[in-house]
Amino acid sequence: AQSVTQPDIHITVSEGASLELRCNYSYGATPYLFWYVQSPGQGLQLLLKYFSGDTLVQGIKGFEAEFKRSQSSFNLRKPSVHWSDAAEYFCTHMDTGRRALTFGSGTRLQVQP
Amino acid sequence: AAGVIQSPRHLIKEKRETATLKCYPIPRHDTVYWYQQGPGQDPQFLISFYEKMQSDKGSIPDRFSAQQFSDYHSELNMSSLELGDSALYFCASSHFRQEIYNEQFFGPGTRLTVL
Repeated sequence: AQSVTQPDIHITVSEGASLELRCNYSYGATPYLFWYVQSPGQGLQLLLKYFSGDTLVQGIKGFEAEFKRSQSSFNLRKPSVHWSDAAEYFCTHMDTGRRALTFGSGTRLQVQP
Repeated sequence: AAGVIQSPRHLIKEKRETATLKCYPIPRHDTVYWYQQGPGQDPQFLISFYEKMQSDKGSIPDRFSAQQFSDYHSELNMSSLELGDSALYFCASSHFRQEIYNEQFFGPGTRLTVL
């Protein structure tokens, strides 16, 4: 079955530090991958997406992600974290046959002052 | 810009009662998706509609039903509620295009609590 795995349930970083959230996928063909962010009590906001082309994709709020087929990874990065980035981050993929999204288990990011 | 609207935002019901959740997609969006997010869990796809027809079905219990109306809004009907139905229910909408990928825009969710 197609799936995405987020190995880190909870990550804490200091404000201003760099961030990398891990996501691994299992799928034979090129997957359609996304990162969503969910702030407390809020809906889900799309940060960035990948489905073809350049393997380094830029998103909103200064985030980027790199698709690495050799490592089956789609890690999310940000060079300098802001306190407002504290949220839950979901790596997701879309089953091309159904268009619905399948979510990873999420990584909760805490930002220390 | 207009966003996806969900109502109500919060709902409290007793076991075995029924609940109806509503979703109003972004104008000109023709596809609606429903997701369920249990406490501390990731969202799970329930069901989707395209042009008022069910287009896909996920892990939706038989006690639940949904439909999309002529104005493209959608309603999720939940009967014989169980404690385990307590969750955040998200609706997302998109505009179908020929390309495979259609970005889904999520609403703020309806938090259902079953007592």
